[in-house]
Amino acid sequence: AQRVTQPEKLLSVFKGAPVELKCNYSYSGSPELFWYVQYSRQRLQLLLRHISRESIKGFTADLNKGETSFHLKKPFAQEEDSAMYYCALFSRGKLIFGQGTTLQVKP
Amino acid sequence: DGGITQSPKYLFRKEGQNVTLSCEQNLNHDAMYWYRQDPGQGLRLIYYSQIVNDFQKGDIAEGYSVSREKKESFPLTVTSAQKNPTAFYLCASMREGRLIGNTIYFGEGSWLTVV
Repeated sequence: AQRVTQPEKLLSVFKGAPVELKCNYSYSGSPELFWYVQYSRQRLQLLLRHISRESIKGFTADLNKGETSFHLKKPFAQEEDSAMYYCALFSRGKLIFGQGTTLQVKP
Repeated sequence: DGGITQSPKYLFRKEGQNVTLSCEQNLNHDAMYWYRQDPGQGLRLIYYSQIVNDFQKGDIAEGYSVSREKKESFPLTVTSAQKNPTAFYLCASMREGRLIGNTIYFGEGSWLTVV
């Protein structure tokens, strides 16, 4: 079955520290993966998708098919990065989300 | 703005009553979705519809019902059979694109509280 796992409920780092939000998936075939972000009191919005290989707000994510991972990384965290982050897999017409990770960036 | 409107934003319901959450989009998207968001459980899919007059159950469809009579509208009814309906509900719609992949847009959500 298709599944997305985000093992960390909360990740707390200091400003300027590197960030890595983990995401693992199970899927047979070529996955289509996304990262969504939800800032406090705002709607869920697309951060990036693996197919476009872009970098948004300094975040990048590389698809590793061998490890079935799509970890989200940023070299230097900013306080405004504090939010809930969701990894998602698109499969058969629907988007399957992980449990989400709250990123807390401390000053 | 995202072009997806959910209403009401906050809703209180007495136990035993059905309630309908509205979701309207003007993005001309074919597919629409309803998710439920609970702390520590992420977003779970309730129902989805890929085309007008057709919809499928998601992972947690029990106690919910939907309709898709118009392309732009996908209302969700939370019935009295739903045992734990207090939650944050998110509606989404999707644009498909072969070159850039699929993109899903979300509404602002509706808070439902059963009292």
